[in-house]
Amino acid sequence: DTGVSQNPRHKITKRGQNVTFRCDPISEHNRLYWYRQTLGQGPEFLTYFQNEAQLEKSRLLSDRFSAERPKGSFSTLEIQRTEQGDSAMYLCASSQDSSEAFFGQGTRLTVV
Amino acid sequence: AQSVTQPDIHITVSEGASLELRCNYSYGATPYLFWYVQSPGQGLQLLLKYFSGDTLVQGIKGFEAEFKRSQSSFNLRKPSVHWSDAAEYFCAVGPYRNAGKSTFGDGTTLTVKP
Repeated sequence: DTGVSQNPRHKITKRGQNVTFRCDPISEHNRLYWYRQTLGQGPEFLTYFQNEAQLEKSRLLSDRFSAERPKGSFSTLEIQRTEQGDSAMYLCASSQDSSEAFFGQGTRLTVV
Repeated sequence: AQSVTQPDIHITVSEGASLELRCNYSYGATPYLFWYVQSPGQGLQLLLKYFSGDTLVQGIKGFEAEFKRSQSSFNLRKPSVHWSDAAEYFCAVGPYRNAGKSTFGDGTTLTVKP
């Protein structure tokens, strides 16, 4: 078990461009979560999946954000028309059912 | 709505000294409580968790935490701090049926003096 894996680790993009991040959860975990963390703050919940179904989305997840988990394994988080305010660390976590979540190393997004 | 308050933004302790990081929470039902640690540029590592049972829970790296329902607190402690403990510490509260969907505090940064 290699833990939760996120790619890329760092992404620099120009304002207005689209970006996509990938998360590979722990293999036997059926739930997958996305969080956003800005400097000096704790992580904030964005959305979560149980298997391939997206069960909840935070109000933080604007229309420019979309997440998928097509086969109930890896997940992608896409941000369209990036803005400087999207600069943050995007964290993925996974769990088996209702147990505690295990986090990946995160993807650091910088929008210039 | 659930919330977590970590009153201390930054704490400095000497190596070998004891440590206590404070956490207060607000939650309408029985909380699932966690402490995570984060090194710079890294993800979060779970130190310990509490849902029920003994209110003093032991975690990894020599950390422990005590749940006090009457005070809505879940403070993290370590008897003797090592230089490698320098990091940011986050307290979190989540629903029992979906512990992964947690609300986090804003963290406490720990600096360890030699």
